[in-house]
Amino acid sequence: DTAVSQTPKYLVTQMGNDKSIKCEQNLGHDTMYWYKQDSKKFLKIMFSYNNKELIINETVPNRFSPKSPDKAHLNLHINSLELGDSAVYFCASSQRGSGVSTDTQYFGPGTRLTVL
Amino acid sequence: DAKTTQPPSMDCAEGRAANLPCNHSTISGNEYVYWYRQIHSQGPQYIIHGLKNNETNEMASLIITEDRKSSTLILPHATLRDTAVYYCFCGRDDKIIFGKGTRLHILP
Repeated sequence: DTAVSQTPKYLVTQMGNDKSIKCEQNLGHDTMYWYKQDSKKFLKIMFSYNNKELIINETVPNRFSPKSPDKAHLNLHINSLELGDSAVYFCASSQRGSGVSTDTQYFGPGTRLTVL
Repeated sequence: DAKTTQPPSMDCAEGRAANLPCNHSTISGNEYVYWYRQIHSQGPQYIIHGLKNNETNEMASLIITEDRKSSTLILPHATLRDTAVYYCFCGRDDKIIFGKGTRLHILP
């Protein structure tokens, strides 16, 4: 069974389009995250949700909007896609988070987004 | 969060112990040391973490110096499947900031 899954695995789209990436975890974790890994392989956190509430929102353009319909899902919606949005996006989850835990994060397989 | 410094790459012979160093001289008292790795095209994978005592699990051992300014990840018997980029970072697990990591090459 896949612990953290993301769809789609690959996403190729034109500039200006709106797209969504879905993430689901079946670990019963309370916290979910979105990371962006750019071409230089730096992995940076974008958002963190704990029990459906946003707890971390790094300096990310407001074209990016996370949506958490329930504790097991954290989707990433991107409006007006730009060339610089091309990257691999990873979803992750952990049991607690919120700065008080040392729980480990479990990462999904990633979604490679290419904006043409 | 403390900044970490790691060598960009290392080689290790298969079957030998791989020792990956990490400097974190600005670590604060409540920050943990974490190690993750990323095998090509996959999501990062947790390896181990510790605060000040040495830690060991089924994957690796973590040695933290007494002043906590540096640590070493030890893979006791490296295999080809351990070829990956290894990331060391300090902080809280809800705000991971990955650096460039160390690209570990396991040589047959």
